[in-house]
Amino acid sequence: ETGVTQSPTHLIKTRGQQVTLRCSSQSGHNTVSWYQQALGQGPQFIFQYYREEENGRGNFPPRFSGLQFPNYSSELNVNALELDDSALYLCASSFEGTPNYGYTFGSGTRLTVV
Amino acid sequence: DQQVKQNSPSLSVQEGRISILNCDYTNSMFDYFLWYKKYPAEGPTFLISISSIKDKNEDGRFTVFLNKSAKHLSLHIVPSQPGDSAVYFCAASKQTGANNLFFGTGTRLTVIP
Repeated sequence: ETGVTQSPTHLIKTRGQQVTLRCSSQSGHNTVSWYQQALGQGPQFIFQYYREEENGRGNFPPRFSGLQFPNYSSELNVNALELDDSALYLCASSFEGTPNYGYTFGSGTRLTVV
Repeated sequence: DQQVKQNSPSLSVQEGRISILNCDYTNSMFDYFLWYKKYPAEGPTFLISISSIKDKNEDGRFTVFLNKSAKHLSLHIVPSQPGDSAVYFCAASKQTGANNLFFGTGTRLTVIP
């Protein structure tokens, strides 16, 4: 059974650019959630995808968008990058969308915007 | 608006002693609470959870206590081991409606051998 894998592990982008982060969910999981963890903060919910549809969104602007594919892998896209977007981006998979059984998190992508 | 708060950024404990990590929340709609542990360069891993219908849940060395009236929960680790050194996040969710987790800012636990 494979866990959640994220790519790339580290990324440096320039302000104004666009970025795509990728996540492969754990085998058997059909729900993917994305979280942003800024330095010294706890993870904050960006959005969740369930069966390829957005299934809830946190307080993030529309320039944060996502996709889920038929194999349940997912992408997080961020347009018009800002310096404050520098953070660790965590992907978490679960079954049937409920967090109460405990997500399985990936190791994250560290994004630095300069 | 931080709905889940961990007011102690760090905690140091001697090996073999008890570690107590605290968490407060403000939203009375939260009805499920989880603790995650995070090592550097790894994602958070689920540790233990508790439903709001209980006031205690135990799993080996880990026990979580919930005081709903005070909107407070705590994680007890006994005995503490050096491998427990990590950042611990408290998280809360609502079992109906929204399905995301609200995390605290974390407490870095250091267990001194």
